[in-house]
Order: sequence, then C-alpha cells, then structure tokens
Amino acid sequence: AQKVTQAQTEISVVEKEDVTLDCVYETRDTTYYLFWYKQPPSGELVFLIRRNSFDEQNEISGRYSWNFQKSTSSFNFTITASQVVDSAVYFCALSDSNNAGNMLTFGGGTRLMVKP
Amino acid sequence: DAGVTQSPTHLIKTRGQQVTLRCSPKSGHDTVSWYQQALGQGPQFIFQYYEEEERQRGNFPDRFSGHQFPNYSSELNVNALLLGDSALYLCASSLLNRNSGNTIYFGEGSWLTVV
Repeated sequence: AQKVTQAQTEISVVEKEDVTLDCVYETRDTTYYLFWYKQPPSGELVFLIRRNSFDEQNEISGRYSWNFQKSTSSFNFTITASQVVDSAVYFCALSDSNNAGNMLTFGGGTRLMVKP
Repeated sequence: DAGVTQSPTHLIKTRGQQVTLRCSPKSGHDTVSWYQQALGQGPQFIFQYYEEEERQRGNFPDRFSGHQFPNYSSELNVNALLLGDSALYLCASSLLNRNSGNTIYFGEGSWLTVV
C-alpha cells in the first residue's frame, strides 16, 4: 500500500524567510512518481513538480527547490525568500508505476502562512 | 489552451438527493480521474475513466458512479447524498501513458454542500 505523510500541518513564517515542507512516502514499487501541488483558497490544485524515482537529482525552479532522497523516502520542498503570495496549502503526492502517474495518493497537506 | 474545467462551481443539495458534476479535460488529454477532498484533508481518489470505461476505483461506495463521453469529458454522479459527502470534488486529467509518468492537471473543483 502507498502512503504519503506530511507531518507539518501548519507552518507560519515571516516574509523573506526560507521554509522547507517535509514529505515522507511509502511504496513497495521500485518505479514511482512524486508530485507537489499548491492549493490556494480557490481550490484548484496547481502543479509544481513531478519527479521520477530513478532520477534523484535535486531541482531548482526560481525560489523553489526540491530535495529527493530515496534512502530516506523523502521528497522535501523548500521555498527561498518566501512571499505572501506563497501562502497556500501544499500537497505532496505519490503514484506508482502501474498507474504511470494517473492515480495519486496525497498527503494530508501543509498549510503555509507567510506574514508580511 | 483551456485547462480542466468543472461545473458547477458551488451547489447545495439535501440529504437523499442525487447530484451530477461535470468535467472537461485539458485539450489533448484522454484520461479523467475524480477526487474527493473533505475540509482540511488531502484529496482522495474516487475513480478513473479511460476509453469510456472505469479503469480504477478507490474506496468509495457504489453510490458514486461516473461516465466518460467520446469527447473525453466526464460526469460524476452521487446518489442518496449523505451529510458526509459534503466536500470539494476535483477532476483531474492526464494523457494515459504507462511507459512514463504523466503530469496530472486539476480543475478548480465543485464545492458540494449537503444539508
């Protein structure tokens, strides 16, 4: 069975601080896919990144970076120099090879509040 | 290029009634999945449609049913509504490709309140 755990239910930071959102996953598959989504109050899940299990390179996109470590089954997300617009709920999700990314198991989400 | 569109955006139903939610996938996508997101929780997979057939199903009762049309759009039907069905219902679309991971795009959801 697959499982995604986001232990931080809520994080509050002051603008310009760096913040890391943790994600730990469980799967029996050797091939799987990891995702991060942002959910603003409107409800839409905004895609941020997809990572294949066989690609452990870390990725940076502007102020966002992701640290994928298979040894600890973690896929953490860091926002550098946070901004008020980053305030949202962030979800980590997992899909196995049988679903090729078409069925996601989500974590419980982390609510990030960035204060001015 | 239109993204995933859902309707209606908000609706209120009474216990015992039936509801139909609609979804048009992103252009070029052939697979539609539905998720239920209760307040304060992560989305839960309901089912997935591909080639007009239900391909996978999560842990949801038969009161939840769906359909996919030849143009890839989809409907989610919920019968005999319960108070606990109140949630945000999200539609997701992707291109089925079992050889590589896909990016799944979500719509803005339909907020269902059962009273």
